[in-house]
Amino acid sequence: GENVEQHPSTLSVQEGDSAVIKCTYSDSASNYFPWYKQELGKRPQLIIDIRSNVGEKKDQRIAVTLNKTAKHFSLHITETQPEDSAVYFCAAMTTDSWGKFQFGAGTQVVVTP
Amino acid sequence: GAGVSQSPRYKVAKRGQDVALRCDPISGHVSLFWYQQALGQGPEFLTYFQNEAQLDKSGLPSDRFFAERPEGSVSTLKIQRTQQEDSAVYLCASSLDGPGYEQYFGPGTRLTVT
Repeated sequence: GENVEQHPSTLSVQEGDSAVIKCTYSDSASNYFPWYKQELGKRPQLIIDIRSNVGEKKDQRIAVTLNKTAKHFSLHITETQPEDSAVYFCAAMTTDSWGKFQFGAGTQVVVTP
Repeated sequence: GAGVSQSPRYKVAKRGQDVALRCDPISGHVSLFWYQQALGQGPEFLTYFQNEAQLDKSGLPSDRFFAERPEGSVSTLKIQRTQQEDSAVYLCASSLDGPGYEQYFGPGTRLTVT
C-alpha cells in the first residue's frame, strides 16, 4: 500500500521567512495530493491540493510543487506570519482507491515574531 | 452553512464498555470517511461510505469496530469492548462526490479509555 513520509517533524521560522515541508510517497499510482492545516484542538482544513497532471500550484503565499518522477511533493509558505503556526499534514491518494488518503505524520510549524 | 459535526466531542469510557460516535456530514455530500488520529500523528483511514454503501472498511483495526450509514446521511462508528489502545481522536470527513474531491473534516471526538 501507499506510504507517505513527511519532513521535518518540526520547523521553527522567523516571521517573514519562508517555510518548506517535503513529503515522499511510494505508490506511483497516486494522483491527488492535498495539504491540510490543523491548529491545536481543531479540525484539519484543506489549504491547497495538486493533481498529478500539474507540476506546481500557487495560492497567495502558499505553493505546492510535485515531482512525479521522484515521487515527492512540497509545501512552500512565503512571508510567514504567526497565524501560520499549526501542524501541517500532507496526503496522497489514488482516485481509484475510494478517497483513501494516506497521511504523513505531520510537521509542527512555529512562526516566531 | 453548517459544516461536518460530530458528537460527542469528548468521551471517556471504561475498558470493556461499548461506545458510539456520531457524524453529521455536510448536507448533500455523497462520500463519508472515518479516520483515527493518535496523538502527534496524522489521521489513519478507517472506512469509507458512498451514500449508504460501505465501500472500504480495510482500515478498521479489529472486528470490535463497526460503522454504518443506513440512510446515506448520518453515520455512526461503534467500538465494542473498548481497549486502552482505542484512545484517540476519531475524525469524520465528507466530500461532495467520490475520490479526488476536497474532504471536509469534522471537529473530531476525543475518546479516552481508562
